[in-house]
Amino acid sequence: EPEVTQTPSHQVTQMGQEVILRCVPISNHLYFYWYRQILGQKVEFLVSFYNNEISEKSEIFDDQFSVERPDGSNFTLKIRSTKLEDSAMYFCASDAASGVLNIQYFGAGTRLSVL
Amino acid sequence: DQQVKQNSPSLSVQEGRISILNCDYTNSMFDYFLWYKKYPAEGPTFLISISSIKDKNEDGRFTVFLNKSAKHLSLHIVPSQPGDSAVYFCAASVSQGAQKLVFGQGTRLTINP
Repeated sequence: EPEVTQTPSHQVTQMGQEVILRCVPISNHLYFYWYRQILGQKVEFLVSFYNNEISEKSEIFDDQFSVERPDGSNFTLKIRSTKLEDSAMYFCASDAASGVLNIQYFGAGTRLSVL
Repeated sequence: DQQVKQNSPSLSVQEGRISILNCDYTNSMFDYFLWYKKYPAEGPTFLISISSIKDKNEDGRFTVFLNKSAKHLSLHIVPSQPGDSAVYFCAASVSQGAQKLVFGQGTRLTINP
């Protein structure tokens, strides 16, 4: 069964450093998403991406964040200068955009720890 | 801004009995609702969904009920099995364009043998 894959599973970084979280969405999917879940809190939407541009972004997704689809398979989330409060699980998701009602499939997540 | 709420953080059910998980929403623009299941160290896994044009959708042991007037949905699992022990998230979206999901806080379901 096709799946969304995310690497690394755990990323530890120093405050102020840049990190890139990587995702390989399901191959025929057209919409891509990043969500995050701070420990003990809800899963929160960060950004959606379609046709090589951002469709929508949340208030969380400020200038420190960027997304890119550098080739036909990868979808990345970059945090330019990490803060302690960026520590969270980051989930990538994709959907086929094949109809009005689409199912988003999630990866296993990357745990980001900012020290 | 809690647009989607799951008021029960945890639920414990005997194996073989029915599990009922509840979810309330406030945004009347939501017209598509999904339930996801999550095990530790894994991402959310899609379970079942329902469009606002329906009031019930069934898939095997899982049934989702939608009460639009009350802005309430519920997930029924029957019979409950030990493998159903997980955190269950309710999510809602507006079915236009990129459908960002708004999640509830989750309910931890424990099925006791």
